[in-house]
Amino acid sequence: NAGVTQTPKFRILKIGQSMTLQCTQDMNHNYMYWYRQDPGMGLKLIYYSVGAGITDKGEVPNGYNVSRSTTEDFPLRLELAAPSQTSVYFCASRLRDQRGTQYFGPGTRLLVL
Amino acid sequence: AQKITQTQPGMFVQEKEAVTLDCTYDTSDQSYGLFWYKQPSSGEMIFLIYQGSYDEQNATEGRYSLNFQKARKSANLVISASQLGDSAMYFCAMREGNYGQNFVFGPGTRLSVLP
Repeated sequence: NAGVTQTPKFRILKIGQSMTLQCTQDMNHNYMYWYRQDPGMGLKLIYYSVGAGITDKGEVPNGYNVSRSTTEDFPLRLELAAPSQTSVYFCASRLRDQRGTQYFGPGTRLLVL
Repeated sequence: AQKITQTQPGMFVQEKEAVTLDCTYDTSDQSYGLFWYKQPSSGEMIFLIYQGSYDEQNATEGRYSLNFQKARKSANLVISASQLGDSAMYFCAMREGNYGQNFVFGPGTRLSVLP
């Protein structure tokens, strides 16, 4: 099992450009999450999904969009990138069980200039 | 209001000593879960330990244990016999509700282990 994989590892965007951060898990987990981590800070939830076709906003959804067409994939779309979106983005997944331990991908470092 | 509070931005501990990292939480749910994650300088998030709100015993995983005081709403992480490789950021997190989908993370504590 590869677990949770994210691509790319690092990307530089110009202001106003768009991009998609990819996230794939091979653990057949129902729930998937996108977080951002600003320097020296904790994680903030952007969007999450409880299954294919179902997504919902987290704490900081503005400027982002998601879709979940399959159990495995949960891409995060940035439209019109802004310097405030410079951050490290983590994807995570978990089973729909009472414990709910999340397993994280390695992260994508994004720099918007 | 902060749901997860970690009051120690940074901590130092001597190698082979034990250290306690503090975490307090705020929830009105009766069923919830508490987690600790480690983030080394390489950046990945590593799951360490879990405590359910109905668990009667404190959780333990190797050198990690969780000092769970439900009435005080605290879930402190205890690392015994610290090693240099324990130097990292440590995050406390909470899942609210049975099968709850939402997680909230604390701001983290940076632990430095001194040789």
